[in-house]
Amino acid sequence: QKEVEQNSGPLSVPEGAIASLNCTYSDRGSQSFFWYRQYSGKSPELIMSIYSNGDKEDGRFTAQLNKASQYVSLLIRDSQPSDSATYLCAVNPRHAGGTSYGKLTFGQGTILTVHP
Amino acid sequence: DAGVIQSPRHEVTEMGQEVTLRCKPISGHDYLFWYRQTMMRGLELLIYFNNNVPIDDSGMPEDRFSAKMPNASFSTLKIQPSEPRDSAVYFCASSPRDTDNEQFFGPGTRLTVL
Repeated sequence: QKEVEQNSGPLSVPEGAIASLNCTYSDRGSQSFFWYRQYSGKSPELIMSIYSNGDKEDGRFTAQLNKASQYVSLLIRDSQPSDSATYLCAVNPRHAGGTSYGKLTFGQGTILTVHP
Repeated sequence: DAGVIQSPRHEVTEMGQEVTLRCKPISGHDYLFWYRQTMMRGLELLIYFNNNVPIDDSGMPEDRFSAKMPNASFSTLKIQPSEPRDSAVYFCASSPRDTDNEQFFGPGTRLTVL
C-alpha cells in the first residue's frame, strides 16, 4: 500500500462546477496535511494546509480532513480553466522524536482539467 | 520577498560528467529540502537539512549523489558521475520552523544527461 494515494485522473469538470480531489494516507499518526498545485513545467505551489479534523476554507478552496478515515480532500468551487493543473497531496508523518516535523510524503498527483 | 532561488534552470550534460545544482533558500527558513521529480516516480525527497545540518539522506539514490549546506543561505546537490537515469527535475524547497513543515519550492533545475 502506498503511503499517500491519489486518483491520478485526469479529472475533467466544466467551468463553474465543483472539483473534488481526494487523498488517502496510511500512517494514522500523521500530523499535518497539505495541498500543492503544480502547473505543467512549473514547481509545486502550496495552496492549502490543514491540521485538525473538519473543513478549512480559503477563497474558492476548501480542504477537508478526516483522521479517523485517514483521508483528506480538496474542493474547488466555481472551477476556472486557470485551475487546470496537477494537484499534489502531501502528508507530514509521525515523527519518531515526538515532534511533528519530518519528511513530507507526496502522492502521485491528480490531473485536473477545467473545460470552458 | 524573494522566494527560493535555484541555478541553473536547465542543465544538459554528458554521461560521466559532474553536475552541481545550487539553491538559496528563503531567508530565515531553518529547513532545506532537495527533491527529484520524474514522471515514473513522482516527487521524491532526496535529503533535508535543519540549520545547515543534514538530518535525513535516506532518499539519496547512491554514492554518486552528495549534498552540502555550508551556510544558511546556500546549498548544493552534486552528482558525480552523472548517468542518463539521473535526468529529472530537481527542486529545492525551504520551510520555516513554526509552520509545521509548510514547504516553499524553488523553480527547479531540469537536468538532462545524454
